[in-house]
Amino acid sequence: ETGVTQTPRHLVMGMTNKKSLKCEQHLGHNAMYWYKQSAKKPLELMFVYNFKEQTENNSVPSRFSPECPNSSHLFLHLHTLQPEDSALYLCASSQDEQGGQPQHFGDGTRLSIL
Amino acid sequence: QQQVKQSPQSLIVQKGGISIINCAYENTAFDYFPWYQQFPGKGPALLIAIRPDVSEKKEGRFTISFNKSAKQFSLHIMDSQPGDSATYFCAATGNTDKLIFGTGTRLQVFP
Repeated sequence: ETGVTQTPRHLVMGMTNKKSLKCEQHLGHNAMYWYKQSAKKPLELMFVYNFKEQTENNSVPSRFSPECPNSSHLFLHLHTLQPEDSALYLCASSQDEQGGQPQHFGDGTRLSIL
Repeated sequence: QQQVKQSPQSLIVQKGGISIINCAYENTAFDYFPWYQQFPGKGPALLIAIRPDVSEKKEGRFTISFNKSAKQFSLHIMDSQPGDSATYFCAATGNTDKLIFGTGTRLQVFP
């Protein structure tokens, strides 16, 4: 296993469904991140976890609910999503939350909301 | 203050040419400036990074030029190859700041 692994790679769901995105890192890092990537927009930071504690919620709607059971795993629980939530969701990790450290990204989950 | 402005949005370069992507920032507290490369269907991967104590950093065909007074930094890809075709993101952060990304530049290198 290498780096940061995200599953599923693709997800299509209706607005009333509930699904979860999973991220796992094998780098021994202590900080994990969720980003949203939409076309022609900068990567949008959603959540930050440092040593399993949430340290950042970037005004994300409550229909996105993160969970970090340990430093290696990060989940994003989805419910009652809107069409504008269709995007690529990227997970990343770094040694810790302190700035000036490289972040390592997974390949993302391509989410489509019908 | 938290924005990083990146240009151009897209770039077409012939094989063997030089690709240049520019970024500008406002926050003088930023002290780490990475560049990420993203291929279709993949996540961004760290390509090269610089700190403001040097004006240039080179790794193979990739060079970052940094101008602290102008608050600008740029990525130069020498001898561009078709395999370099990807989207490139600049980013910036300070000791207590989150990583702020530019909007990306889609580079296409034609044979």
